[in-house]
Amino acid sequence: TQLLEQSPQFLSIQEGENLTVYCNSSSVFSSLQWYRQEPGEGPVLLVTVVTGGEVKKLKRLTFQFGDARKDSSLHITAAQPGDTGLYLCAGDPNSGYALNFGKGTSLLVTP
Amino acid sequence: EPEVTQTPSHQVTQMGQEVILRCVPISNHLYFYWYRQILGQKVEFLVSFYNNEISEKSEIFDDQFSVERPDGSNFTLKIRSTKLEDSAMYFCASSESEGGAETQYFGPGTRLLVL
Repeated sequence: TQLLEQSPQFLSIQEGENLTVYCNSSSVFSSLQWYRQEPGEGPVLLVTVVTGGEVKKLKRLTFQFGDARKDSSLHITAAQPGDTGLYLCAGDPNSGYALNFGKGTSLLVTP
Repeated sequence: EPEVTQTPSHQVTQMGQEVILRCVPISNHLYFYWYRQILGQKVEFLVSFYNNEISEKSEIFDDQFSVERPDGSNFTLKIRSTKLEDSAMYFCASSESEGGAETQYFGPGTRLLVL
C-alpha cells in the first residue's frame, strides 16, 4: 500500500493543453512537497504547501493543498515540451525527517 | 544559488566491496539525509542525520550502512559489503531545520552499480 498515490501514472499531451495531476493519501500531512525529476538526476523542488486549502502558483504551474491536508494537485496551464518530466509529491505524515515519495506522474508534452 | 553536490556521479564496484558515497550539503543547513532509488522504483528514505547523530532511519538502513560527517562540509554514506541489490541511485539531501514544513533539497545523485 502506497502512502501517497499519484495519478495518472503516465500522461501524454500536446503542447498548449492543460492538465492536472493528483497526489492522494488517507493520512494527514503537515506539508507536501512537489518535485520534478529528469532521468538520471535528483528531484528538483518545485514547491512546498503547508496550509490546508493553500494555493501556490509558479508561472504556469498551480499547486493546491487539500483542506484536510490529505491531498494535493498540480495544474499546468498551456503545457510546453519543457514541462516534460516526472512529477513527484512527497511528505512525512509524522512531521519528521523521512520524506515518503509517491511513484510520480510521468508527463510527456509533444510539440 | 546554493546546491547539494555529490561525488562520484557514477560508481561501479564488485559485490562484497566497500563503497563510500560523498555529499556536500548546502552550507547553512543542519539536517542531512540519504535516499535511494532503484531503477524504475520510487525514491526511498534511508537515514537522516543531525548534530552528529542519526535521527531517523528506515528498515533499509541495516548494519551494512553507516553515515558520517567527517568534517564541516562533507557527509558520507558507507556501504560495507555491497550486494547486487544495492545497485541504485543514491541521493543526498539537506534542510535548514527538521521535518514538517521544512524543505529538503536534493543533490544530483550517485549511480551505484554492483556487479
